[in-house]
Amino acid sequence: GNSVTQMEGPVTLSEEAFLTINCTYTATGYPSLFWYVQYPGEGLQLLLKATKADDKGSNKGFEATYRKETTSFHLEKGSVQVSDSAVYFCALSVEFQGAQKLVFGQGTRLTINP
Amino acid sequence: KAGVTQTPRYLIKTRGQQVTLSCSPISGHRSVSWYQQTPGQGLQFLFEYFSETQRNKGNFPGRFSGRQFSNSRSEMNVSTLELGDSALYLCASSPRDYPGETQYFGPGTRLLVL
Repeated sequence: GNSVTQMEGPVTLSEEAFLTINCTYTATGYPSLFWYVQYPGEGLQLLLKATKADDKGSNKGFEATYRKETTSFHLEKGSVQVSDSAVYFCALSVEFQGAQKLVFGQGTRLTINP
Repeated sequence: KAGVTQTPRYLIKTRGQQVTLSCSPISGHRSVSWYQQTPGQGLQFLFEYFSETQRNKGNFPGRFSGRQFSNSRSEMNVSTLELGDSALYLCASSPRDYPGETQYFGPGTRLLVL
């Protein structure tokens, strides 16, 4: 089946630290991969995406590379800020019963201390 | 463009009642998907509508239903509410539902069943 496994949280870092949140997936076919972020009391916002192998998605200093050989899509940021504190979800998009659906990982709560 | 809007934002119901949630997609978007978010199960796909037709449905009981109107607005209905239905219900829209297309999420409706 299709599934996403994310690094267990919570993750706590100091401001300006390097961030990695691991994400691996299992999928039939060739999924597109996404990172969404959820701030307290809000819905999900797209952070970045990649639609084929070796693509790199990037946004707001975050990056992730679609690695087909390791079935991974790890999220990285070189220097985190307090405002990056949120819950991060890795997801894949697959065709299901003739339409697309998103399959999400369990989410990783990130807290950045000043 | 205005984002995805959901009403109401918060709702309290008692067991056995029914509830209807509403979602207005981004203008021009024809695909609307619904997801349930709970601490225990994470984000789970409910169903997707495109041009007033439900094209796929996740693994939820028949108490969960929905519809889409000609203006792409969508409603979701849950009948005979159970305590376990307490969750954040998220609606997402996309232009056409192509592979790799981004789904844009609304802020969600938080339902509490007492």
